[in-house]
Amino acid sequence: GQSLEQPSEVTAVEGAIVQINCTYQTSGFYGLSWYQQHDGGAPTFLSYNALDGLEETGRFSSFLSRSDSYGYLLLQELQMKDSASYFCAVRDGTGFQKLVFGTGTRLLVSP
Amino acid sequence: DGGITQSPKYLFRKEGQNVTLSCEQNLNHDAMYWYRQDPGQGLRLIYYSQIVNDFQKGDIAEGYSVSREKKESFPLTVTSAQKNPTAFYLCATWDFSGANVLTFGAGSRLTVL
Repeated sequence: GQSLEQPSEVTAVEGAIVQINCTYQTSGFYGLSWYQQHDGGAPTFLSYNALDGLEETGRFSSFLSRSDSYGYLLLQELQMKDSASYFCAVRDGTGFQKLVFGTGTRLLVSP
Repeated sequence: DGGITQSPKYLFRKEGQNVTLSCEQNLNHDAMYWYRQDPGQGLRLIYYSQIVNDFQKGDIAEGYSVSREKKESFPLTVTSAQKNPTAFYLCATWDFSGANVLTFGAGSRLTVL
């Protein structure tokens, strides 16, 4: 099966940079995704890494190292609105079109 | 606007009652999913369907049932056999674009009284 580990909570101040780590175990690898979820809302897709390296999308970047089964989400120039939960996810190891999610990291941004 | 509509947004149920959560999409996506989320937890897969008239159990299917009679619709029934149904239920679709992108509905919050 698949399993993903993330820190449960991270705190930071406005304007800072924060990194949310994710380690995964999966029998087959089909990419690592990141989702953001505000309290009471639906998760929304942030980024996807299929190959090693850094993907940048505005203030958010995501990194993947397949050899280490590790990835991270980097949030720069933090804003209060970035306070949310962040989930990493991998596709089912059998290749079926379904995602397995980590338990999420709650990011609290303070003034 | 293309999207996923879940209803009702909030639902209260007495123990022993079945309830059905609606999920309708106009994104023309083939695959649809139901996830359950408990406070402070990740998302756990209940059922998924890749094509009409076909669906598979996810990791926590016990006490739930689904149907997929139309491409646009994937209703979830929470039966009385589900021992702890109070949770946030999320419906999603996947467009098979290559990236692992799920599009989620706004969710339905079920509370058992």
